[in-house]
Amino acid sequence: GAGVSQTPSNKVTEKGKYVELRCDPISGHTALYWYRQSLGQGPEFLIYFQGTGAADDSGLPNDRFFAVRPEGSVSTLKIQRTERGDSAVYLCASSFWGGGYNEQFFGPGTRLTVL
Amino acid sequence: AQKVTQAQTEISVVEKEDVTLDCVYETRDTTYYLFWYKQPPSGELVFLIRRNSFDEQNEISGRYSWNFQKSTSSFNFTITASQVVDSAVYFCALTIRNAGNMLTFGGGTRLMVKP
Repeated sequence: GAGVSQTPSNKVTEKGKYVELRCDPISGHTALYWYRQSLGQGPEFLIYFQGTGAADDSGLPNDRFFAVRPEGSVSTLKIQRTERGDSAVYLCASSFWGGGYNEQFFGPGTRLTVL
Repeated sequence: AQKVTQAQTEISVVEKEDVTLDCVYETRDTTYYLFWYKQPPSGELVFLIRRNSFDEQNEISGRYSWNFQKSTSSFNFTITASQVVDSAVYFCALTIRNAGNMLTFGGGTRLMVKP
């Protein structure tokens, strides 16, 4: 079956612009996670959804970052007024929910470059 | 708060050598899960193993083995008879039971296996 997909794979933008990054989770997965991986570092948690609602957004660095999942499937991470420090690979993962821990399956990521 | 430390940022070995990747974690929770992921040059995170905090039994899967020791808060990963295809960045990660399953990753260890 299809895995987690993310689009675009690469995004180059200019400082101050607005960007949207899309994640298509595995069908049937109710939990969806966004992580950010800066060069040479491990992924860092940003936000996770349980269904349509953001269950924990404590990892979002500031109010320029926002994410939605209106129908409980596809999610969009939105970044306003991009800064050069936002350059990173943005990873999405999805999993089933409930009954203890469920494995997260990761997508290939979107590489964001802010010039 | 949780923390994962991978002190080795980069390791270089010659093919067929054994190599051990270290992972030390910190958490106050008694119920938690530990993971290892592989990130090849393509960038996608590949799940290798999950252990829960109540299961200290070591595990072997082919050339891979894992040593979990709660007494030293360590979860080390050994590759026996390394191969060039093992070259990748390896991440250790942790989640606690009531944290929404978001993963806390270490900084990663880049393994280079030379022919």
